[in-house]
Amino acid sequence: DAGVIQSPRHEVTEMGQEVTLRCKPISGHDYLFWYRQTMMRGLELLIYFNNNVPIDDSGMPEDRFSAKMPNASFSTLKIQPSEPRDSAVYFCASTRQGSNSPLHFGNGTRLTVT
Amino acid sequence: KQEVTQIPAALSVPEGENLVLNCSFTDSAIYNLQWFRQDPGKGLTSLLLIQSSQREQTSGRLNASLDKSSGRSTLYIAASQPGDSATYLCAVPGSARQLTFGSGTQLTVLP
Repeated sequence: DAGVIQSPRHEVTEMGQEVTLRCKPISGHDYLFWYRQTMMRGLELLIYFNNNVPIDDSGMPEDRFSAKMPNASFSTLKIQPSEPRDSAVYFCASTRQGSNSPLHFGNGTRLTVT
Repeated sequence: KQEVTQIPAALSVPEGENLVLNCSFTDSAIYNLQWFRQDPGKGLTSLLLIQSSQREQTSGRLNASLDKSSGRSTLYIAASQPGDSATYLCAVPGSARQLTFGSGTQLTVLP
């Protein structure tokens, strides 16, 4: 299995631009999570999906952030318009139903907004 | 609200030493606890998952213990190697499937 795949690995953009981050979860996993990691705040959960349905988006910082999961093998996290304080590493992770299933992370997208 | 604390924040040891990393959590109503490793510029890799019914879990030189009643877990690394240098994070699930993470312990094993 290729694991959780995220793209792009790095994104540099100017303030005000739209940014779209992409994630392909592990096949067969029915939970997908988007996390953000910064030095100041550590790992923060933004949103998670179960069977492609958003379950909890209370971690999404503002209306500028949106996430979709149109099918079981693809999810996007969009920031529009982007701001310098959005600079962070964004991780996607997936797992399957069951208390014995570990969480698998992608390698992340490092976003820099100038 | 669940809070997870890891002590120490950073640890430096000579190669070959045995070491213990600590994790504490405030809400003991958890069904499992996970330990992760994060290398610079990479995602998190799951090392061990302990079910709430278990007291410990072992994988190679790693041993994780869980004491739900006291809200504590430890990760024991035997005969440490320079390749063990990384940040180690523990995480516990909330009421649903989301995990709350500690801030991690940055481990450096000196050759």
